Amino acid sequence: EAGVAQSPRYKIIEKRQSVAFWCNPISGHATLYWYQQILGQGPKLLIQFQNNGVVDDSQLPKDRFSAERLKGVDSTLKIQPAKLEDSAVYLCASSPGRGAYEQYFGPGTRLTVT
Amino acid sequence: AQSVTQPDIHITVSEGASLELRCNYSYGATPYLFWYVQSPGQGLQLLLKYFSGDTLVQGIKGFEAEFKRSQSSFNLRKPSVHWSDAAEYFCAVGHYNTDKLIFGTGTRLQVFP
Repeated sequence: EAGVAQSPRYKIIEKRQSVAFWCNPISGHATLYWYQQILGQGPKLLIQFQNNGVVDDSQLPKDRFSAERLKGVDSTLKIQPAKLEDSAVYLCASSPGRGAYEQYFGPGTRLTVT
Repeated sequence: AQSVTQPDIHITVSEGASLELRCNYSYGATPYLFWYVQSPGQGLQLLLKYFSGDTLVQGIKGFEAEFKRSQSSFNLRKPSVHWSDAAEYFCAVGHYNTDKLIFGTGTRLQVFP
């Protein structure tokens, strides 16, 4: 079974530029998560999708971050414009569905904003 | 509010020694508890989970954890550490009514030969 795929693995941009990350979850997994992991911290949930609907985006800085999950499969996370404090690893995870399922994580995208 | 505390930021052990990583949680109801491991440049891999039942749970790679409700703890243990266990370990808490996981800040494990 293929795992969660993410691309790119690394990205370096200047502040005020825009960037997009892509995630392909495990086949059949209905729930998809985006996390931000700042160096030295645990992952923090940014947004959660159930199929193609948003379940929780309370921690997403909506003035600069956006995410979509068209057709309930792949997802993209965008930052526009980026700030220095957005430097982090962005992790995508998926789970089979709602309710106490463990989450399966992708390798992450390391973003550096200069 | 839910929270997870991992008191040890960095732990160093010798290969072959026993290991215990501490995790304390704060949650009003019975939590679902998880331990994940993250190797450098990698995503998080689930080591084990506790939902209910036997409070001593076995995981992959020879790890186990014990849920102690009275101490609000879910400590991770391994009787004999291997050099390949060097990584960052995260404890997380969730609840059946939500799918959100709250992660601790992690414990970095260093293993000396």
